[in-house]
Amino acid sequence: NAGVTQTPKFQVLKTGQSMTLQCAQDMNHEYMSWYRQDPGMGLRLIHYSVGAGITDQGEVPNGYNVSRSTTEDFPLRLLSAAPSQTSVYFCASSPRFAGAREKLFFGSGTQLSVL
Amino acid sequence: GDSVTQMEGPVTLSEEAFLTINCTYTATGYPSLFWYVQYPGEGLQLLLKATKADDKGSNKGFEATYRKETTSFHLEKGSVQVSDSAVYFCALSEKGGNKLVFGAGTILRVKS
Repeated sequence: NAGVTQTPKFQVLKTGQSMTLQCAQDMNHEYMSWYRQDPGMGLRLIHYSVGAGITDQGEVPNGYNVSRSTTEDFPLRLLSAAPSQTSVYFCASSPRFAGAREKLFFGSGTQLSVL
Repeated sequence: GDSVTQMEGPVTLSEEAFLTINCTYTATGYPSLFWYVQYPGEGLQLLLKATKADDKGSNKGFEATYRKETTSFHLEKGSVQVSDSAVYFCALSEKGGNKLVFGAGTILRVKS
């Protein structure tokens, strides 16, 4: 059982480049989300999706785009990378998210550096 | 808005010492509360949770009690092990909400 798979694990970009962070889950989870983790700031929600075709913004959405064409995949796109986007990115999913009923399953993260 | 405040780390303890990591929250309603743990090089995983006032969540020797009167959810363990070295995150979710709000995380280092 693979769970939540993120690729790549490490990435270095130059300012202005674009790229897509991939996230896939094989648990048929309805809810998927992207967080970024920065020292001293914990995890902050970027975007989330409650099902295929439905996405919404989190706390820090600027500079990022998402789409959810299938239940399994939830890619995160950086349109024009900036040094402020240097961070560790986590994808997380759950079968259903309504308050406390379900727990989040996290991927192992993507470490992104923007020079 | 909702927020979570954790004690700053790192916390360094000797093996078998007692652990407390403080967590307080601000929320408009009656949230559910969580502790997540992140081991080196891994993603977060749920450690324990509590969904209403006075509930006690427990797992792997860790405990936390939902205290509505003090808006707190402190994590405790009676005897820590080297394998408990990790980053611990307190988090909340409003009932019916779609988001988890995390604290900044507390690094725990346990020495043998």
